[in-house]
Parts: sequence; structure tokens; C-alpha cells
Amino acid sequence: DTAVSQTPKYLVTQMGNDKSIKCEQNLGHDTMYWYKQDSKKFLKIMFSYNNKELIINETVPNRFSPKSPDKAHLNLHINSLELGDSAVYFCASSRPDATNEKLFFGSGTQLSVL
Amino acid sequence: AQSVTQLGSHVSVSEGALVLLRCNYSSSVPPYLFWYVQYPNQGLQLLLKYTSAATLVKGINGFEAEFKKSETSFHLTKPSAHMSDAAEYFCAVSSGGYQKVTFGTGTKLQVIP
Repeated sequence: DTAVSQTPKYLVTQMGNDKSIKCEQNLGHDTMYWYKQDSKKFLKIMFSYNNKELIINETVPNRFSPKSPDKAHLNLHINSLELGDSAVYFCASSRPDATNEKLFFGSGTQLSVL
Repeated sequence: AQSVTQLGSHVSVSEGALVLLRCNYSSSVPPYLFWYVQYPNQGLQLLLKYTSAATLVKGINGFEAEFKKSETSFHLTKPSAHMSDAAEYFCAVSSGGYQKVTFGTGTKLQVIP
């Protein structure tokens, strides 16, 4: 069983479109995250949710809207896609409020905006 | 504020040689430090973590790292490189609540047969 699964794995779309990426974890974790990895492999946190509540929002454009219907799911919706949004997006989860707990990552969604 | 600096975006070693990947951190509070590995087209996996219990930390796949407070370093080593070690390695630091983890820019390890 995949611990953190995200879909789709690849997403190719035109500028201006709206798209969503879904993430689910079966680890029973309360905390979930979205990370963005750019073409230089730099990994930056975008959002963090703890038990469906937004905890971290790292100055991400409001075209990005995370939604957590329950603590096992954290989806990412992106409006009006721009060329600069092209990146690999990783979902992750961990136990809550534990600074030394490891992150469990999904395998990533490669978004290409044309 | 916290940050991580990884020296060397690319490191090449021969198979069987010592692997040394460098990481220096900055943190205003005692940090928790991590090394993650990313294989092609995969997410990151934890190699090891420092949580103040011991300064020398052993991880998976024969890797270990030593926390040196005086040098603010957490370098990753492995005595003998295998071809399967070729991957991207990320050092990370966490010192706040709710896992606000800051990653370094990564070091790509190439293992030459």
C-alpha cells in the first residue's frame, strides 16, 4: 500500500487553465503539506494543514488554494495557471506538531504549463 | 529564522570510495536536522535525523552523519559508495512547530563505476 499517494503523476496544460492535484495518506497522520520543487531541485513549502486546519501558508499566490476535506486528504487547486507554475509538486504528511518527526512524501506531480 | 547550506550541487565519487556531502545550518534555537534522499522520479525518503540524543547518527543504507555544534555542520558520510547511491540528497532543518522544515538546495551524487 502506498503511504502517500498523489494524482495525477503528470499534468500538462495550457496557460490560463485551472487544474487540481489530489493527495491522500493512509498513515493516520494529522498533518499534511504541499511542497513545490523547481527545475533546480529547490524544495519549498507552500502549505501545511493540521487536522483540516491551515497552519502554514508561505506567501503563495492566491491562485493556489488548498482544500482538506478530511485529515487524510489535502488537494491543491490552481487557478489561471502561469508558465512559472511549472514544477514538481509534492504532497507530504507527518505526525502533528512534532518538529523531529520525519516527513513522508508522495512521488510527486510534474506540472508543465505550456 | 533557519537555513541550510549544502556545499556542492554535484559530487562525483568512484564506486567504493568515501562519500562526503556537506551541510551547514543556521538556527536560532537548537535544531532538528535531517538528511533525505530523492531517487529519480520519486519523492524524498528520510535517510537519518538528528534529535539531540547522540551527535553521531546512523541511518539507512550505511549512511551516517555527525552533528557538530561548534561548526554548525551536519555532514553526511558513507565509507564505500555503491552505484545504487546515485541520487539527489537534501539536508533539512526544523526548529519550529508544525514541522516548518527548511530544505537545502540539494547535492546530486554521481557514482562512477
